[in-house]
Amino acid sequence: DTGVSQNPRHKITKRGQNVTFRCDPISEHNRLYWYRQTLGQGPEFLTYFQNEAQLEKSRLLSDRFSAERPKGSFSTLEIQRTEQGDSAMYLCASSPSGLGNQPQHFGDGTRLSIL
Amino acid sequence: DAKTTQPTSMDCAEGRAANLPCNHSTISGNEYVYWYRQIHSQGPQYIIHGLKNNETNEMASLIITEDRKSSTLILPHATLRDTAVYYCIVRTTINTGTASKLTFGTGTRLQVTL
Repeated sequence: DTGVSQNPRHKITKRGQNVTFRCDPISEHNRLYWYRQTLGQGPEFLTYFQNEAQLEKSRLLSDRFSAERPKGSFSTLEIQRTEQGDSAMYLCASSPSGLGNQPQHFGDGTRLSIL
Repeated sequence: DAKTTQPTSMDCAEGRAANLPCNHSTISGNEYVYWYRQIHSQGPQYIIHGLKNNETNEMASLIITEDRKSSTLILPHATLRDTAVYYCIVRTTINTGTASKLTFGTGTRLQVTL
C-alpha cells in the first residue's frame, strides 16, 4: 500500500493559464474524491468517482473545472482560465467499495498558486 | 447534514492524554463519526471512526456518548508529532447512499508542548 499519490506537489502559474493535476489512488480503491482547501479552512468536497463514472459534483465545481477518471484508475483535475480565487490546495482521496463507512485516505495534495 | 462543533484550539503536555471533544447534537441514527488530523502541508490523515460503540486502534480511542450527541477523541500519550488540526466529521450520504463525502469544519488545533 503506497498511499494516494498526487502530482505535482506544487504548481505556480499565471492567471488565465490552464492547469492539470493528477491523482493515483490506492490500488483497488474504486472510489475517488477531489477536495479543495483554502488557507485556514477545512477541505471542501468537489467531486466523486465510482470507477470511471463521475457520480457527484459540488456547486463549487464551476464550468472551468473538469475531472476525469477514464479507466477507473488515476484521475485528473483540470482548471481552465485560472483565476486568483483558484489558489488553494487540491486534495485527492480514495476508498474501497463495500460498506459505506469505509474511510477515505488522502494524498498530500497539489498546492496551486495563481500569480 | 449533521454538523459538528469543536473548540478552536487546545494545548496538551507531552506524555499526557489529549482529550478532544466534539458535539454533533443533530446526528442521525445511521451516521458515523470520523476523526481525521492534518499536519501542516500534508493531507488529512484518517484516525478512527465509530457508530455507537467506543472504538480503539493503535492511534487513538473514540468515546461516543450513549445519546450519540457528542464524542471524544483520546490520544493516550501525546507526543510533539501529534501537534495538528483535528477534524471531527459526521459522514454525509450522497448520491445512492453507499458512498459519502466528508464535510470538514475548521477543527481543533492541538498544540503539544514539552
